[in-house]
Amino acid sequence: SQLAEENSWALSVHEGESVTVNCSYKTSITALQWYRQKSGKGPAQLILIRSNEREKRNGRLRATLDTSSQSSSLSITATRCEDTAVYFCATDASSGSWQLIFGSGTQLTVMP
Amino acid sequence: DPKIIQKPKYLVAVTGSEKILICEQYLGHNAMYWYRQSAKKPLEFMFSYSYQKLMDNQTASSRFQPQSSKKNHLDLQITALKPDDSATYFCASSQGGLGESETLYFGSGTRLTVL
Repeated sequence: SQLAEENSWALSVHEGESVTVNCSYKTSITALQWYRQKSGKGPAQLILIRSNEREKRNGRLRATLDTSSQSSSLSITATRCEDTAVYFCATDASSGSWQLIFGSGTQLTVMP
Repeated sequence: DPKIIQKPKYLVAVTGSEKILICEQYLGHNAMYWYRQSAKKPLEFMFSYSYQKLMDNQTASSRFQPQSSKKNHLDLQITALKPDDSATYFCASSQGGLGESETLYFGSGTRLTVL
């Protein structure tokens, strides 16, 4: 089973709406990362949020981290069609690990 | 310009053959990785290298062998190919090691189809 897992397999919204992707993880972490993968491309990091941070923003993106419930969320405001992609959360396999383990991903579709 | 170059972009092989997937990064990073992505599994970690030294290996099969001739170069040799090896293989790099929670930068992948 995955160390980190998104809670939804797929989401769809209309342009301009806001959407939140949730992630739960199983181990204590040093940081959690959010990546986005567009069709035919490799994943690209959106936000890295460390265990001592509760919230991090990057433009229209906002990530939260709740270490007590071992969960994270990624919110996108004012969505655009180009936000259509698969969104992954990812954590280190263990402290000092050289593995970044990805969840299964949430397919977000933004419709015109 | 892409900073992580993977070649070829598409590869078709017959069962039992051997192929080499090429990866070069021009980000000046010290660590490189291979991931595999298929319809059945999410992004699956395979190997991590730092300064040409193997740091972690999650690939059970010895048919998969990374090869690092230079710090910015990490190829993946796959022998005795099977149809189940069909997947997109991504190379990635980071400035330092993941123990420091580094950002991974991915190439655009090599899509391998084994017939």
